This record gives sequence, structure tokens and C-alpha cells, in this order.
Amino acid sequence: TQLLEQSPQFLSIQEGENLTVYCNSSSVFSSLQWYRQEPGEGPVLLVTVVTGGEVKKLKRLTFQFGDARKDSSLHITAAQPGDTGLYLCAGASLQTGANNLFFGTGTRLTVIP
Amino acid sequence: DTAVSQTPKYLVTQMGNDKSIKCEQNLGHDTMYWYKQDSKKFLKIMFSYNNKELIINETVPNRFSPKSPDKAHLNLHINSLELGDSAVYFCASSPRWTRVGKLFFGSGTQLSVL
Repeated sequence: TQLLEQSPQFLSIQEGENLTVYCNSSSVFSSLQWYRQEPGEGPVLLVTVVTGGEVKKLKRLTFQFGDARKDSSLHITAAQPGDTGLYLCAGASLQTGANNLFFGTGTRLTVIP
Repeated sequence: DTAVSQTPKYLVTQMGNDKSIKCEQNLGHDTMYWYKQDSKKFLKIMFSYNNKELIINETVPNRFSPKSPDKAHLNLHINSLELGDSAVYFCASSPRWTRVGKLFFGSGTQLSVL
């Protein structure tokens, strides 16, 4: 099992603040994905990063894949209440690709209006 | 027009019973999965099927038996339910067996074993 540790585990911030969530592992992944999960629903894919050092922007969200493809970060600018949810990183095995994803421990974000 | 649908949404049952969860996807995907999310929200793969063929079985007790009658369906049957089986079970699908995939999840089945 390839473990992905996320930090922080819980994060509660005021609307308009910036935040960063980290996803770290000692394993190398072929790609890394970020999902957001809302209560009572399944995770929804936000982004996939493939190349070491890659940076992707999705409106106010910026995702970075570490140079060694072992870690990733998610930065949210000017957080809004709609950003509230459980954020999960997921690494794809080098051997079996994205069809065997190892999920992180999760970061529960609450944005207070 | 739900992409990945699973039923039931909630399942409450007694220890020792046998139960099934159904999953269907209308996306035309080749690969389907079952994931288990525990009370700490940790999500772990249980099974993966590609075109009805079992690809991944992650050390799941043999009380859990997936069945894929066709590539649009992947059902999960659980025998002799135990308290530790209580969790949320997610079905998911992805277009094909690939290095960079995109998983589409169902909305989950919350199983409570009493």
C-alpha cells in the first residue's frame, strides 16, 4: 500500500482567505489527482497532474506536482463558502496506472461566510 | 441521466445477513470499481473490473463477491455481514485501463451493520 498523507487534516477559514493543502508520500506516482467530496456524494475529480513540477490552474485553485512525483499541493485563493468540502489527493500506481488509485487521508475544509 | 448510479443509498442490516449493492454506469466506460470509505473518510479500492474481467482484488475477505454481468454493471454481494463492514461503499467507473484516468463515482451506499 502506498500511503499519501494530507495536511492539515481539518481547516476552517474565513471567506476571502487563502489556503494550501499538502499531499505527501515516500512513493513515486505516475500521476496524481485531486478530488472534492461533498456530504452524501462521491468524490468529483478536480484535476490530474502528470509531469514532475507541473502546475495547473483551475480558476482560484492552483495544483502543483512535486519534481520527484511524490507530493502535491493545492492552493486556493480567496476561498468561498462553495469551496467547503473534503479534499482528497490520489496517486496512480506506477505499475497499474490510474486504475489503481491510492487515496490520501483527506483534508476537510470549511469556509465560513 | 445519472452517470454512475448505485442502489440502495442506505442499507441497515443485522450481523450475519447477506446483502447486495447494485451499480450501473451509462457512460460506456470499460472499467468499473468498488471502493470502501471508512468512518475517517479514508477511501480504499476493493475491486476493479475491466470489460467484465477482474483486474484488482485488494485483499478483500472472500465474503465480498463482485459480479459483473456486463461492462455497464458491477454488483457487490456481501455474505455473513460483520460489524466492521459498516462503511460507505462507492462504485466508480473510468473510460479505459490507462496511465491517466478519470474516475466517476456514484453517490455511495451507507451500510450499517447492527
